[in-house]
Amino acid sequence: DAKTTQPNSMESNEEEPVHLPCNHSTISGTDYIHWYRQLPSQGPEYVIHGLTSNVNNRMASLAIAEDRKSSTLILHRATLRDAAVYYCILRDGTGTASKLTFGTGTRLQVTL
Amino acid sequence: KAGVTQTPRYLIKTRGQQVTLSCSPISGHRSVSWYQQTPGQGLQFLFEYFSETQRNKGNFPGRFSGRQFSNSRSEMNVSTLELGDSALYLCASSSLETVAGELFFGEGSRLTVL
Repeated sequence: DAKTTQPNSMESNEEEPVHLPCNHSTISGTDYIHWYRQLPSQGPEYVIHGLTSNVNNRMASLAIAEDRKSSTLILHRATLRDAAVYYCILRDGTGTASKLTFGTGTRLQVTL
Repeated sequence: KAGVTQTPRYLIKTRGQQVTLSCSPISGHRSVSWYQQTPGQGLQFLFEYFSETQRNKGNFPGRFSGRQFSNSRSEMNVSTLELGDSALYLCASSSLETVAGELFFGEGSRLTVL
């Protein structure tokens, strides 16, 4: 599986936007970009995914670079409940469904 | 609808024993996968079952095994427990066969091996 690189940690103030970067320079044409997050003492939770175009849902937005070698997860207004570890994951579109290769993720701290 | 249910939530075993963990997926989901989470190695894929067949396996020794029943419920077993098997074991279910399907994770079973 292609690898992703994320900063170990980031901080944000509550009510402000957060941009979480992810580098995936070895991404292949069939790789989807997925984001999951893990809140303390919980299992991971799906956030968003995309292939080439930017995506929006009720939780976040995903901005994908034109060359697809990087992407950014955008939380429009961070709240204390968004404090979690965020994982950027590549999933091969030609493979089977449920194998996720997690990296170390970005630990997001949100302060008042 | 109910989420992914894992039992037991916590358990303590001693070295050499074996353990069985259970996972009930979301109703209608046919894919169940298992992950191990440790502070040192992070989240690692164990195996995946779809319609009672294992279709993908991670890089774990043969002491780790699993199965899926006709109602999609799944169990994983670890035999001859070692201290390093102490971890949070997470189960995830998915309804779709394609890579676009999101995975729904349970809260995990935390295993401590003494």
